[in-house]
Formats: sequence, structure tokens, C-alpha cells
Amino acid sequence: SQTIHQWPATLVQPVGSPLSLECTVEGTSNPNLYWYRQAAGRGLQLLFYSVGIGQISSEVPQNLSASRPQDRQFILSSKKLLLSDSGFYLCAWSIWAALGRGNYGYTFGSGTRLTVV
Amino acid sequence: KQEVTQIPAALSVPEGENLVLNCSFTDSAIYNLQWFRQDPGKGLTSLLLIQSSQREQTSGRLNASLDKSSGRSTLYIAASQPGDSATYLCAVRPWMDSSYKLIFGSGTRLLVRP
Repeated sequence: SQTIHQWPATLVQPVGSPLSLECTVEGTSNPNLYWYRQAAGRGLQLLFYSVGIGQISSEVPQNLSASRPQDRQFILSSKKLLLSDSGFYLCAWSIWAALGRGNYGYTFGSGTRLTVV
Repeated sequence: KQEVTQIPAALSVPEGENLVLNCSFTDSAIYNLQWFRQDPGKGLTSLLLIQSSQREQTSGRLNASLDKSSGRSTLYIAASQPGDSATYLCAVRPWMDSSYKLIFGSGTRLLVRP
């Protein structure tokens, strides 16, 4: 079965420090991968998505970047964190099944609570 | 531009009640619609996925319907329990979007009182 791992679960970082959040997927190949952010009291905002190794698309301009060094690995990074980067970060995957088998929905990881102080 | 709205924003009911959560979307050109549950401080758990060609999906006490032409979906929860307390999110996948990204509503926060 497919599983998604996301770590760390909680992170407190000072302003100006670097960030690296990792997400890995098991049990599937060539998934679409996504990074979402959920700020306190707000909805889910798509930050980045990737349809293949090395292919990254950004939805909103920001202080963050993403990379996909391997098929099932997705990394969210920042060189210098800002206070506004605080939030709940969620990784997700989806996959297009073969014709006739339908499309799988999204599966989300357990999230990383980032607090920038 | 696709927009997803969920009403009500919050709901408090006594245990045992049947309830309906509403989701509406502005563009009927969707591939599918997915309902999620989010417990405080946790990730999203998928509840039901409805393809655009389907009218409803059922899982246990949950039933989700989809009326694509009117841009509406409802999540029906039968015989609610305190363990159902969570935020419920609906999301649509726009048609012909190569990223397969989801557009989320802002959620309905449900409290089931014992």
C-alpha cells in the first residue's frame, strides 16, 4: 500500500535560519507531489507541485523553494526564514492511474508545524 | 477562476443527530471532488472521493453527493458521534489542469456534544 512520510513533526526556528523539510512516498511510482501551507485560521495554500524528478512549479512568490531529487522525495527549503513563514506545512501526493482505472485522489502526510521566532 | 465555499463555517450538534455539510464550487468543469477530515494539529485524512461522472459515494456513516451542474456537494453524516468532531474540508480538482492540484474550501468545524 502507498504511504507518505513527512518530518519533522514540529520545528521551532529563529528568523534568518535555514529550513529543510522532507517528504517521501512509498508504494507508488512517478507520483505528483505537492507542498501546501496552512496558516492559522486560514485555508490551504498550494506552494509547489512537481510532476516529475527535477520538475518544480511554484504557485506563489515567496521565501521558499522546493526540490525533487528522486522520484519519491520532495524537499521544501529556505535559505533564511521569515516570521511570516510560520505555519503548518503539508506534503501530499496523487497519481493518474491507467485509462479505465480512474484517478486516485490526494493523500496527505501528517504535517510539520513550523514556528519561526 | 475556481472558488470553493463551505457552509456553515462552524457547527455544533448533540450526539446522535444526522447532519449535512455543504460545499459549493463556481466552475462545474471538475475532474473530481474529495472530502477530507482534519483533526486539530494533524494532517488531512481522505474520507470520500467522487469522480465527476458519479453522483454519490458512501463509506460507513458518511455519504457524499455531487451535483456538478449546480456546483454543489453535500457530506451527510448519520448518527453523529463525539469522535466525528473535526474540521471537514472539501476540495475540487479542476478539469484540464495538468498539475492535478486541488482547490480547497475553508472548511466546516464540527463539534458533536456528548
